[in-house]
Amino acid sequence: DVKVTQSSRYLVKRTGEKVFLECVQDMDHENMFWYRQDPGLGLRLIYFSYDVKMKEKGDIPEGYSVSREKKERFSLILESASTNQTSMYLCASSRPGTANYGYTFGSGTRLTVV
Amino acid sequence: AQSVTQPDIHITVSEGASLELRCNYSYGATPYLFWYVQSPGQGLQLLLKYFSGDTLVQGIKGFEAEFKRSQSSFNLRKPSVHWSDAAEYFCAVGANRGNKLVFGAGTILRVKS
Repeated sequence: DVKVTQSSRYLVKRTGEKVFLECVQDMDHENMFWYRQDPGLGLRLIYFSYDVKMKEKGDIPEGYSVSREKKERFSLILESASTNQTSMYLCASSRPGTANYGYTFGSGTRLTVV
Repeated sequence: AQSVTQPDIHITVSEGASLELRCNYSYGATPYLFWYVQSPGQGLQLLLKYFSGDTLVQGIKGFEAEFKRSQSSFNLRKPSVHWSDAAEYFCAVGANRGNKLVFGAGTILRVKS
């Protein structure tokens, strides 16, 4: 069964910590995405990557960075966690030309920053 | 730029009743449209998608959606709701050969027995 795996379901971190959220896909997809999900706001795109070592900013990149050293792995980095980054983080992947195929999502990481 | 509006934040229906969730999109060309469902604490699962052709599309779990170009809508329907359908539903739009989907804010469905 093909899938997208997010390494942690729940994380609690302290303000100011550097936080790494990991995502791995086994479908050989070129595109990978990081979204955050907040009540009433839906999914907002943080960053996406369409190839190894390539990245593009989404709608809300401030306070985040990403790394894609291997095709199957896409990491989201919170350089200095803040309480307003408490949220559900969703990773997704797709083949090129997303519109034709849609995304496959991971189960999400619920991050709490205290 | 694409955008998606889901006018209803919450909807409550009785088990066995019919369901319609609304979705309106804004996009200059022919859109590629999706409905996803998210059960509590889970990621999003694709219910159905529309690319072209028949404007009534069938999906998993007994859901269907109808594309109406004149109304810029892609409403999701189910004739008889089950308690297990309680979840959050997201509509999304994509561009032809584009790489990104734009999501609506979601509609939370509650099912009462």
